[in-house]
Amino acid sequence: EVVMTQSPATLSVSPGERATLSCRASQSVHSNLAWYQQKPGQAPRLLIYGASTRATDIPARFSGFGSGTDFTLTISSLQSEDFAVYYCQQYDIWPPYTFGQGTKLEIK
Amino acid sequence: EVQLVESGGGLVKPGGSLRLSCVASGFTFNTYTMTWVRQAPGKGLEWVSSIRSSGFYIFYADSVRGRFTTSRDNAKNALYLQMHSLRAEDTAVYYCAGQKSDYDEMTFWGQGTVVTVSS
Repeated sequence: EVVMTQSPATLSVSPGERATLSCRASQSVHSNLAWYQQKPGQAPRLLIYGASTRATDIPARFSGFGSGTDFTLTISSLQSEDFAVYYCQQYDIWPPYTFGQGTKLEIK
Repeated sequence: EVQLVESGGGLVKPGGSLRLSCVASGFTFNTYTMTWVRQAPGKGLEWVSSIRSSGFYIFYADSVRGRFTTSRDNAKNALYLQMHSLRAEDTAVYYCAGQKSDYDEMTFWGQGTVVTVSS
């Protein structure tokens, strides 16, 4: 099973600043990596797939980078609606599909 | 507009059974791999099961294999999760999600249905 490890667990950032979230896979998942955003009481929403491709209607301030085992999600200028929990997920080696434990992005 | 609407959740005693449904609209359901993902209270996301578009290939997490059965009815655009021998640790919000194929991301998500296993 591929273990996905996200860091940090919680990230405190001020609105308008940049946030960088990390995700590491225990073995190479190539570029088969997605990022999801989840707000309280809501379902996850796909942000990024293929490690770097934005999903439909996702603003350009969201960008993904990486391949193999190390990945980042960057939000260039945080808006109030961006404060949420973010999960990475690999779909290269499965079953099982595996998710990271999540990074909570909170307002500083 | 894509919609996935889950139903069937509720309160059940340990050892009991429950059947979840997910009805899809707004995309070509019979070409998509469909997946169940759950989230225990205050916890992260856990993959439960996936079923390929044809319905012939089904995959389960070790934690549910032998107790849960996934099926689909492409004529009704519906996905099902039959759960037996439920345990307290199965308590979670259950989401259905759609993928273009097994080797793709989970593009579409339903709003979730809550399953509580408690005496």
